[in-house]
Amino acid sequence: KAGVTQTPRYLIKTRGQQVTLSCSPISGHRSVSWYQQTPGQGLQFLFEYFSETQRNKGNFPGRFSGRQFSNSRSEMNVSTLELGDSALYLCASSLLAGGSTDTQYFGPGTRLTVL
Amino acid sequence: AQSVTQLDSHVSVSEGTPVLLRCNYSSSYSPSLFWYVQHPNKGLQLLLKYTSAATLVKGINGFEAEFKKSETSFHLTKPSAHMSDAAEYFCVVTYPGGEKLTFGTGTRLTIIP
Repeated sequence: KAGVTQTPRYLIKTRGQQVTLSCSPISGHRSVSWYQQTPGQGLQFLFEYFSETQRNKGNFPGRFSGRQFSNSRSEMNVSTLELGDSALYLCASSLLAGGSTDTQYFGPGTRLTVL
Repeated sequence: AQSVTQLDSHVSVSEGTPVLLRCNYSSSYSPSLFWYVQHPNKGLQLLLKYTSAATLVKGINGFEAEFKKSETSFHLTKPSAHMSDAAEYFCVVTYPGGEKLTFGTGTRLTIIP
């Protein structure tokens, strides 16, 4: 079974631009969660989608948004990029909704650099 | 509220010697606990998880962890370190009905040849 895939793997943008990241979960998984990883803040939860509905959202500004499609693929969008948005963005999928004991499987991440 | 504290930001051990990575948790409910490993420029891989079954949990690559409720700890151990174990390790907590994973700050493991 193929793992979680994320595209693109690397992105370079400038301040003020917007960016869209994509995540394809493991086949059959309906939950997709997004995390931001930075050296200063560590791993922080962004949001979770389950069956096309956002179930939970972390403490990030409204510039961060996402959606999930009927095939469970998910996209994350960041508008009006700031230097501090430079990070590794990780996507994780699981069979069940978040908060269960179900294991989350992580993709390799998208490295976003904002100049 | 739930949280995890990884007591060491960096651990160095010699190849062939035991590994101990320490994690303490705080949770108002019976927690589920995980250890993930992240190799450079890679995503996170699950090593093992505790979900209120056996308190001694065996994972992949020879790692294991013991859930100690009285000490609110979930330390990760391995009897003999290998060069390929060099990576960053994250202790993670959630609980049934909770809404998200909470990650520790990570422990960077260095293996000395």
